[in-house]
Amino acid sequence: DAKTTQPTSMDCAEGRAANLPCNHSTISGNEYVYWYRQIHSQGPQYIIHGLKNNETNEMASLIITEDRKSSTLILPHATLRDTAVYYCIVRVATNFGNEKLTFGTGTRLTIIP
Amino acid sequence: EPEVTQTPSHQVTQMGQEVILRCVPISNHLYFYWYRQILGQKVEFLVSFYNNEISEKSEIFDDQFSVERPDGSNFTLKIRSTKLEDSAMYFCASLDLNGREAFFGQGTRLTVV
Repeated sequence: DAKTTQPTSMDCAEGRAANLPCNHSTISGNEYVYWYRQIHSQGPQYIIHGLKNNETNEMASLIITEDRKSSTLILPHATLRDTAVYYCIVRVATNFGNEKLTFGTGTRLTIIP
Repeated sequence: EPEVTQTPSHQVTQMGQEVILRCVPISNHLYFYWYRQILGQKVEFLVSFYNNEISEKSEIFDDQFSVERPDGSNFTLKIRSTKLEDSAMYFCASLDLNGREAFFGQGTRLTVV
């Protein structure tokens, strides 16, 4: 899996949009960008993923640059419950299911009241 | 929402003892994983399992570890002779046929004394 680079930590005011960047300059054409988060020591939680188009779901939006070398996860209206470590992961997604997730150190996002 | 269930939530065991960590994946999922997270460190891949056999394992997953799907619902991780360094959170995850989104359990905290 390609290596990703994320800031170690970020703060965001409650109610504002949290924008979490991720660099993945060596991403391959068949690798997707995935975002997970981990609240305290709970199990990682899937947020969103994308290949090259921007994606949006009920939790977040994912903006991927045209060259696919970087992406941004956007939490549109951050709440205190969004305080967590956010992981940007690139991986191949096929129907074979044996592509493990390789977690880095992630970005520790703190939402400030 | 479907969820992955892990038991027990916390297990304390003496060094050298065998432990079995249990997981009930989401019912129609076909791919299963174990990850671990030592306190303060990254989430690390241990093993993936599909069609009743190991698909991939990490170098952490040595002969002291084994996995099994004894029936149609449970997925277990056995550590034959625990060491102090096995103390960690152990997360089970499962993936559906489309292989897009991994669901993680809430983890078992294993403490070896």
